[in-house]
Amino acid sequence: EAGVAQSPRYKIIEKRQSVAFWCNPISGHATLYWYQQILGQGPKLLIQFQNNGVVDDSQLPKDRFSAERLKGVDSTLKIQPAKLEDSAVYLCASSYTWGVQISTDTQYFGPGTRLTVL
Amino acid sequence: GQNIDQPTEMTATEGAIVQINCTYQTSGFNGLFWYQQHAGEAPTFLSYNVLDGLEEKGRFSSFLSRSKGYSYLLLKELQMKDSASYLCAVRDQDSNYQLIWGAGTKLIIKP
Repeated sequence: EAGVAQSPRYKIIEKRQSVAFWCNPISGHATLYWYQQILGQGPKLLIQFQNNGVVDDSQLPKDRFSAERLKGVDSTLKIQPAKLEDSAVYLCASSYTWGVQISTDTQYFGPGTRLTVL
Repeated sequence: GQNIDQPTEMTATEGAIVQINCTYQTSGFNGLFWYQQHAGEAPTFLSYNVLDGLEEKGRFSSFLSRSKGYSYLLLKELQMKDSASYLCAVRDQDSNYQLIWGAGTKLIIKP
């Protein structure tokens, strides 16, 4: 079974530029998550999709971040314009289900995109 | 409020046993996860506990006490490749079933 795919793996941009990240979840996984992880910290949820609907985007800085999952499979996360503090690893994860107390809620992560904003 | 506490860093010797503790405070506990994260890589799933007790999976075991808000990850027969960060995460049903993450424990294995 193929894992979660992400691209690019690394990205260096200057502040005020825009950047986009792509994620393809594990086949059959309805739930998709975007996290931001700053060095030495745990992941911080930015947005969660269930199929193509948004479940939670309460921590997404909506003035500069946007995300979509139009067909309920692939997803893109965009930052425009980028700030220095956006330098982090952006992780995409997927799970088969969500909101039930069973192991199929387990989240599986992609390799991440390391973003450096200069 | 929600809070997950783990030690920042631990050191252990190859071949030994190490226990990484995690204490948590959440209003709607709905399961606890342990992930391993090697430097520069994504977290990988290790274990899941929702009931009290010990779950064993090869060299790794995870324990949960819901009444104490406490879990530990036990690693036996340590190998150099076990050098990584270990993240504890609690699913909170009062927060849309989101995972509340600890900052991780960096485990250093010495020969």
